[in-house]
Amino acid sequence: EAGVVQSPRYKIIEKKQPVAFWCNPISGHNTLYWYRQNLGQGPELLIRYENEEAVDDSQLPKDRFSAERLKGVDSTLKIQPAELGDSAVYLCASSLRAGGTDTQYFGPGTRLTVL
Amino acid sequence: AQTVTQSQPEMSVQEAETVTLSCTYDTSENNYYLFWYKQPPSRQMILVIRQEAYKQQNATENRFSVNFQKAAKSFSLKISDSQLGDTAMYFCAFYRWGAQKLVFGQGTRLTINP
Repeated sequence: EAGVVQSPRYKIIEKKQPVAFWCNPISGHNTLYWYRQNLGQGPELLIRYENEEAVDDSQLPKDRFSAERLKGVDSTLKIQPAELGDSAVYLCASSLRAGGTDTQYFGPGTRLTVL
Repeated sequence: AQTVTQSQPEMSVQEAETVTLSCTYDTSENNYYLFWYKQPPSRQMILVIRQEAYKQQNATENRFSVNFQKAAKSFSLKISDSQLGDTAMYFCAFYRWGAQKLVFGQGTRLTINP
């Protein structure tokens, strides 16, 4: 079974430029998460999707960040314009809510460097 | 809000030794899950072990086991017969069913020396 796929693995951009990250979750997983991981810290949730619906975007900086999950499968996270402080690893995870369990499986992440 | 604390920023042991990583958390909830994830230099966050709070029995997965002390809000990870491939960052994470999100600790960098 294929895992969570993310691209690109690395991205270097100059500040004020736009950038987009793509995620393909594990087949059949209805819940998709985007996390941001700053250097030396644990991941922090940006947004959670249940199928096509963004059900928790309370931590997403909406002035510059946007996300979509068309058809309830793939998702794209966008930053426009990027700032120096956005340099981090962006992780995508997916899960299948079944009963009381919701184990999340992560992709390899995209390392963003903003110059 | 839930918080997760990992008090050991770095640890280092010799191959084949046993090592224990500490984690404490703060919550007023009764129903939740706890996880340990491993993140090697490749950045892939890999699930190591999961514990349901309502289960008294400690979870085990091969060489990995936990010591779950619910009253003390403690959730430590024991790695037996450590291997070079265990070298990674280890994150403890808390999951409350209602919130449906993982809250991670700061991580412990574990190095297994040959």
